[in-house]
Amino acid sequence: DSGVTQTPKHLITATGQRVTLRCSPRSGDLSVYWYQQSLDQGLQFLIQYYNGEERAKGNILERFSAQQFPDLHSELNLSSLELGDSALYFCASSVLGQGNTGELFFGEGSRLTVL
Amino acid sequence: QQQVKQSPQSLIVQKGGISIINCAYENTAFDYFPWYQQFPGKGPALLIAIRPDVSEKKEGRFTISFNKSAKQFSLHIMDSQPGDSATYFCAARLYGGSQGNLIFGKGTKLSVKP
Repeated sequence: DSGVTQTPKHLITATGQRVTLRCSPRSGDLSVYWYQQSLDQGLQFLIQYYNGEERAKGNILERFSAQQFPDLHSELNLSSLELGDSALYFCASSVLGQGNTGELFFGEGSRLTVL
Repeated sequence: QQQVKQSPQSLIVQKGGISIINCAYENTAFDYFPWYQQFPGKGPALLIAIRPDVSEKKEGRFTISFNKSAKQFSLHIMDSQPGDSATYFCAARLYGGSQGNLIFGKGTKLSVKP
């Protein structure tokens, strides 16, 4: 158990809809990352938050957004969903700064199916 | 320059054999190179990692070999076991660490036959 909790584990929705994925990082980790995993693209970095502020942005579509709340949990919002958004979405957390080992701790993912 | 290229896509090895997975990168600003192991239905988990000032790191049956001049690194799994069957991802992180995000290769699906 990595200590990172993601909900829901599975989600089925229709094209054009909006969903929210939730992540609780490991206790003490200030940084949260979102990754998308699809069969053909592997693990693609979407976005990172550190202590409530956006720190880095990857290949995140404009239809997607994220935030990190004062209690450090994070949400990834996916809107105007398309068939191609079907994927596994992983959240990871890490320690940055003092004590940084570089390791990311991943949750078990949220599997999104868009029909 | 942000890519990490991984090969092969899939690998079948007999029990007791050596599994070798290779990765290459272009950006010399990467400062940390981990390997992650992912079992079906689970998230990736750190297996072993190396920094570019070291040419080799060994942990049990797992060894990373790092060639800084060639910008290549590889994972060797000695005495491969059926329990090692999983998908392996190499990754790299940009120097600075304030971001911390990893750039992953596309993964290698390893099957170890009994």
